Amino acid sequence: NAGVTQTPKFQVLKTGQSMTLQCAQDMNHNSMYWYRQDPGMGLRLIYYSASEGTTDKGEVPNGYNVSRLNKREFSLRLESAAPSQTSVYFCASSESVTASGNTIYFGEGSWLTVV
Amino acid sequence: QKEVEQNSGPLSVPEGAIASLNCTYSDRGSQSFFWYRQYSGKSPELIMFIYSNGDKEDGRFTAQLNKASQYVSLLIRDSQPSDSATYLCAVPYSGYSTLTFGKGTMLLVSP
Repeated sequence: NAGVTQTPKFQVLKTGQSMTLQCAQDMNHNSMYWYRQDPGMGLRLIYYSASEGTTDKGEVPNGYNVSRLNKREFSLRLESAAPSQTSVYFCASSESVTASGNTIYFGEGSWLTVV
Repeated sequence: QKEVEQNSGPLSVPEGAIASLNCTYSDRGSQSFFWYRQYSGKSPELIMFIYSNGDKEDGRFTAQLNKASQYVSLLIRDSQPSDSATYLCAVPYSGYSTLTFGKGTMLLVSP
């Protein structure tokens, strides 16, 4: 039972390079998320997709783009990486988004370093 | 503004003691509250959620919610060294469709 799978697990980029983080879930969830986690800053939402075909900005969307490829897959793209984007990135999914909340399940994380 | 506040810790307790972790939130309209545990280098995992005022127990874990005072707490009874982790409180703010996470409290349980 894989749950949420994200790749790559580790990546080193040079400033200005681009890359895409891939994420897939096998729980038939409607909603998917990308968070970043930095020391002292906690988990911050970058983008989310409430359902297939929709995406919305979160708290820290600048410098990122996302694609909800289908119900299972949600990718995060860094077009021109900057050292400030050095972080741990978590993909997550939930059954849906509601005002009352739904349990969010996380992938294992992707450690990205921009030099 | 959405705010979820937690003491960063570390909270140090001896093995077998009760660990008490607290979280305050700013939106009175919040309806549900989630506690996640995150081991170093790992992803967050859900350990409890609570919707109603009062206590909710699950094994050694008890979540306590007081909506009037806008705080939620997590008690861990008979703490074990394996409980050493960062505990994240998460709240879905009314009008927003995602969870807002606190920065987490680091718990250290010494043998």
